[in-house]
Amino acid sequence: QVQLQQWGAGLSKPSETLSLTCAVYGGSFNGYYWSWIRQTPGKGLEWMGEIEFGVGTKYNPSLKNRVTMSVDTSKNQFYLKLTSVTAADTAVYYCARGQAAGTFVYFFRFDVWGQGSLVTVSS
Amino acid sequence: EVVLTQSPGTLSLSPGQRATLSCRASQSLNSYYIAWYQQKPGQAPRLLIYGASRRATGIPDRFSGSGSGAGFTLTISRLEPEDFAVYYCQQYGASPLTFGRGTKVEIK
Repeated sequence: QVQLQQWGAGLSKPSETLSLTCAVYGGSFNGYYWSWIRQTPGKGLEWMGEIEFGVGTKYNPSLKNRVTMSVDTSKNQFYLKLTSVTAADTAVYYCARGQAAGTFVYFFRFDVWGQGSLVTVSS
Repeated sequence: EVVLTQSPGTLSLSPGQRATLSCRASQSLNSYYIAWYQQKPGQAPRLLIYGASRRATGIPDRFSGSGSGAGFTLTISRLEPEDFAVYYCQQYGASPLTFGRGTKVEIK
């Protein structure tokens, strides 16, 4: 059974870079959409983007080029970096595994989630 | 981006009752791209339904999904105590992927 465990700094200062790691236990990287989603009381659940190993990344345009996702298959980990953070980036961040069928991502869903990481942006 | 509007915001029901949750999209979507999640306080969302009507592994058959076009529904046929939670719909028929704001099902 696949599990995701995530970690990272819980406090960031404004203008700094937020970094989170998500480890994948018990499964392969291939064929999935490794994603980051954040949740705030104000905006709810917000998809930040995804990385499909060997294919590439897709990001939410709302993050305006501040986000980078990467993967290290030798460690079974994937990563989130968010630059130039502000208080508006304070959120619970989740990593998740996206699964779909075919080129047109039919039946896309997040079937495995990390436990969530609260990141507070404050000076 | 596709906006998903969930209604009602809060549903107050008793155990054993039927819950009907609505998710309306700002544009027509193929039902293949609709999923539903349950979230309890302090926990990550849990996948319930994908492809609008397919139950995820291990999800009880009291949960069902339906709909097409721009309107989708999650139905809980008989509420169990553990079903009181917040429910979200999600779409990936158009990028960026988006979620609804949720419907809270609370004990009446």
